[in-house]
Amino acid sequence: AQSVTQLGSHVSVSEGALVLLRCNYSSSVPPYLFWYVQYPNQGLQLLLKYTTGATLVKGINGFEAEFKKSETSFHLTKPSAHMSDAAEYFCAVSERDNAGNMLTFGGGTRLMVKP
Amino acid sequence: DAGITQSPRYKITETGRQVTLMCHQTWSHSYMFWYRQDLGHGLRLIYYSAAADITDKGEVPDGYVVSRSKTENFPLTLESATRSQTSVYFCASVLAGGHNEQFFGPGTRLTVL
Repeated sequence: AQSVTQLGSHVSVSEGALVLLRCNYSSSVPPYLFWYVQYPNQGLQLLLKYTTGATLVKGINGFEAEFKKSETSFHLTKPSAHMSDAAEYFCAVSERDNAGNMLTFGGGTRLMVKP
Repeated sequence: DAGITQSPRYKITETGRQVTLMCHQTWSHSYMFWYRQDLGHGLRLIYYSAAADITDKGEVPDGYVVSRSKTENFPLTLESATRSQTSVYFCASVLAGGHNEQFFGPGTRLTVL
């Protein structure tokens, strides 16, 4: 069964610092890859996704992620953290033969941004 | 309202009571999902539905029942609530196709005393 690992359940950065949230998946066949963000007391919303093509994907709010097949990774980055980025971030994968978009989620990483 | 909505947003109930959480989407998405979110476990799939009258179990279905008589509605029922079902529940929907994003409702925070 597919699994998704997010290294670090909590990450703390200073405002203006680089944000790096790690995600690794287990599938030998590259899946579709997603990053979702959850702000307090809200549902999840899509930040970005990789389906095919260019391996560096740009999303909303200045985030981007790079698909690295050799490392089975899809790490999320942002060059300069903002206080408003404080939230929980989830990496998720969907297998390519999955018409119903069944998602397998990582455990989530809570990002804290210090002033 | 357009989008995906859940009701109630907050619910407190007692052990043994039946509780139904509602989910409604306006996009006519074929697939709908119920997840629970617990500290340390991320999101876990309870049940999903590929279309009206088609449902299937997810990772943690025990103690839950779903139905889908209409495409837009996907209620989740806890037949006899237990304390271990205290959680935040999210409903989601998606167009068929593995590359499409799931859209999530705002969640229902359920406390079972």
